[in-house]
Amino acid sequence: NAGVTQTPKFQVLKTGQSMTLQCAQDMNHEYMSWYRQDPGMGLRLIHYSVGAGITDQGEVPNGYNVSRSTTEDFPLRLLSAAPSQTSVYFCASSYRTGGYEQYFGPGTRLTVT
Amino acid sequence: DAKTTQPTSMDCAEGRAANLPCNHSTISGNEYVYWYRQIHSQGPQYIIHGLKNNETNEMASLIITEDRKSSTLILPHATLRDTAVYYCIVSPYNQGGKLIFGQGTELSVKP
Repeated sequence: NAGVTQTPKFQVLKTGQSMTLQCAQDMNHEYMSWYRQDPGMGLRLIHYSVGAGITDQGEVPNGYNVSRSTTEDFPLRLLSAAPSQTSVYFCASSYRTGGYEQYFGPGTRLTVT
Repeated sequence: DAKTTQPTSMDCAEGRAANLPCNHSTISGNEYVYWYRQIHSQGPQYIIHGLKNNETNEMASLIITEDRKSSTLILPHATLRDTAVYYCIVSPYNQGGKLIFGQGTELSVKP
């Protein structure tokens, strides 16, 4: 298994541009989520999904959209990038919502100028 | 806000046990205690979780007090590769995917 994969590894955007961060898992996990981590801080939950076709907001959802059309993929869309969205983005998945370990991807480092 | 309190940093000698404390005095009956670690900006790595009983796996042991208001993660024989930020997280069983990360404890294992 490749586990949780994220692309790209690095990205630089100009203010106002849009882009999609990709996340995929090959473990047939129901639950997937997106976090962001600002320098020196813990991770904060952006959006999550408990299964294909079901998504919900986390702590910091503003400025981001998600969809879950397949079990494997959970892309994160930045609608109009802002410097405040400069961060490291981590995708995670787990077998189910509760009581199971989450597997994290390697992260995407995004800079918005 | 995170529901846990951890020391900002700790040191441990290589080969010795590392004992990382966590205070979660407002924990509810349906909330699990999870431990994750993050090595040098990599994605967090799951270590262990528990509800009431002490738990042990190949990585660590988790000791939860009887009143469940605090816990200790034990790395029995710390190595340099255990240097990381360790996060203690409480989350309801049916929301275990929604992890609220605090600042964590930065553990430095020294030769």
